[in-house]
Amino acid sequence: GQNIDQPTEMTATEGAIVQINCTYQTSGFNGLFWYQQHAGEAPTFLSYNVLDGLEEKGRFSSFLSRSKGYSYLLLKELQMKDSASYLCAVRSGGVTDSWGKFQFGAGTQVVVTP
Amino acid sequence: DSGVTQTPKHLITATGQRVTLRCSPRSGDLSVYWYQQSLDQGLQFLIQYYNGEERAKGNILERFSAQQFPDLHSELNLSSLELGDSALYFCASSVDSGSTDTQYFGPGTRLTVL
Repeated sequence: GQNIDQPTEMTATEGAIVQINCTYQTSGFNGLFWYQQHAGEAPTFLSYNVLDGLEEKGRFSSFLSRSKGYSYLLLKELQMKDSASYLCAVRSGGVTDSWGKFQFGAGTQVVVTP
Repeated sequence: DSGVTQTPKHLITATGQRVTLRCSPRSGDLSVYWYQQSLDQGLQFLIQYYNGEERAKGNILERFSAQQFPDLHSELNLSSLELGDSALYFCASSVDSGSTDTQYFGPGTRLTVL
């Protein structure tokens, strides 16, 4: 099975930086994804890591350490519109699944205050 | 707009009934994924199809079934509905070229079982 843990909620002020951590336990790791989801809307893709290291995309960066089962999403220069839930998702393959299952964490609600 | 369409947007039905949710992937995407999102369970991966064939199975109940048709649209059938099946059901699609495997989510179908 897989366990994915991320904090329930984080609060930060506009213009600040927030780091959302995600730890996971899985076998047959095949990639880690971060999604943003505003209330009542569909998740939207933010980033993908399959190799160790940092991936930077504008104000958002994501880091992965496979040996530690750890990832973080870094949000810089926070804006009010960044208030949303951030979902960490892990894909892992198995004997019976050709390309692997996805499992999502419960999400971290980020609240950006003025 | 992700390019993934889902119908209907809302569905209200009674316990014991059967419903069908429909998903059309983005043009060119061969993979379709189904997810269930409820308040207490978060986003749960149900099943994945690729070019008409089942590729990965998650926490899908035996009362639920899905298929992907030759035109690549997919349907999720939910039968013997229970109150606990009330949730948002998302469909996502991806190219599945073996690269980033980014999933693009549709707007979801909100199912209410009374």
